Amino acid sequence: GEDVEQSLFLSVREGDSSVINCTYTDSSSTYLYWYKQEPGAGLQLLTYIFSNMDMKQDQRLTVLLNKKDKHLSLRIADTQTGDSAIYFCAEIPQLSGGSYIPTFGRGTSLIVHP
Amino acid sequence: DGGITQSPKYLFRKEGQNVTLSCEQNLNHDAMYWYRQDPGQGLRLIYYSQIVNDFQKGDIAEGYSVSREKKESFPLTVTSAQKNPTAFYLCASSASNTGELFFGEGSRLTVL
Repeated sequence: GEDVEQSLFLSVREGDSSVINCTYTDSSSTYLYWYKQEPGAGLQLLTYIFSNMDMKQDQRLTVLLNKKDKHLSLRIADTQTGDSAIYFCAEIPQLSGGSYIPTFGRGTSLIVHP
Repeated sequence: DGGITQSPKYLFRKEGQNVTLSCEQNLNHDAMYWYRQDPGQGLRLIYYSQIVNDFQKGDIAEGYSVSREKKESFPLTVTSAQKNPTAFYLCASSASNTGELFFGEGSRLTVL
């Protein structure tokens, strides 16, 4: 079955870059997403990448996709204390009939310290 | 504004009681989902519904029940059969063309 793996914790200094990594197993995934969760809140979509792309940049965020290795990464440039949160990687393969059953990683807790 | 609303935000329950968590969306999405979140375990799928009057079990459906009588609403009942119900519950919906999920703010259930 599908499985999405992430490391559980990442600690960085304010101003440095953060890189959060994710591996997935379902090669049929059309869309791969990064979500951010702040304490006590729901998940918010941060960015996404289509499987036919290698890279996507959106302001401080850069997503890299290596389809051969099924590896996805999220880089946050100039990390700020407000970036402290849990980051979830998700793959959403399209099943027959147009259904989507998302699979989430366990989430990476990003801690930004001064 | 369009979005997903979960209620209540916090709920306390005595052992042996059933409770129902509300989830309403005005995004006109066909698909809706319920997830349970425990520390260090990420999101686990409880139930999902791709269309009105139809729903399927997720990975941890035991002790839970749902209904989908209206497109906008997907309530989750945590029954007394759920052995460890204390958790953070998240509802989500998605449009059929992208699969992108939109989440509510969550409901925290504590069993006393």
